[in-house]
Amino acid sequence: GNSVTQMEGPVTLSEEAFLTINCTYTATGYPSLFWYVQYPGEGLQLLLKATKADDKGSNKGFEATYRKETTSFHLEKGSVQVSDSAVYFCALSELTGGGNKLTFGTGTQLKVEL
Amino acid sequence: GAGVSQTPSNKVTEKGKYVELRCDPISGHTALYWYRQSLGQGPEFLIYFQGTGAADDSGLPNDRFFAVRPEGSVSTLKIQRTERGDSAVYLCASSPPTSDTQYFGPGTRLTVL
Repeated sequence: GNSVTQMEGPVTLSEEAFLTINCTYTATGYPSLFWYVQYPGEGLQLLLKATKADDKGSNKGFEATYRKETTSFHLEKGSVQVSDSAVYFCALSELTGGGNKLTFGTGTQLKVEL
Repeated sequence: GAGVSQTPSNKVTEKGKYVELRCDPISGHTALYWYRQSLGQGPEFLIYFQGTGAADDSGLPNDRFFAVRPEGSVSTLKIQRTERGDSAVYLCASSPPTSDTQYFGPGTRLTVL
């Protein structure tokens, strides 16, 4: 079946540091890939997505490129802020009965300090 | 506009009791999904509705779990004879037609004592 593996946290960085959160996936077909973010006390929010190989998703300074050859979708940001502190989830969608079931990784907690 | 809403936000119950969790999706969203998130884990798929029908219920862990969406809008997840292992955050998401992007509600935290 499908699966998503992402780096374990917590990841602790200083403000303005470069961020990479690794994500690799296993899928039988050609899934869409997502990063969702969960800020403290809030629900899951879509951060960015990519629907096919070599697509780059971007939002709020975050980027991720759909790499089919390495089955990866690593999240990057050039300069993190304290407000980026949250849990980040990598996910893929699988078409099922007409819908798009999401398979999530376990999440990576990011802490950004001054 | 209004997002996905879920009620109650917290539910504490005793082992063996019956609970209902409600999800009100974004207006016009035809697809509705339920997920369960245990502590320190990512959400896990439970069931998917397209309109009124359950198109995929392969994630329901056993027959104590059941969900309905009678009018194609609000959905209720029902858990019978709750067990301590059912304690988790139950998330609902909806999706507009022709999109694979899901919009999540804030979740219901269920605690079974």
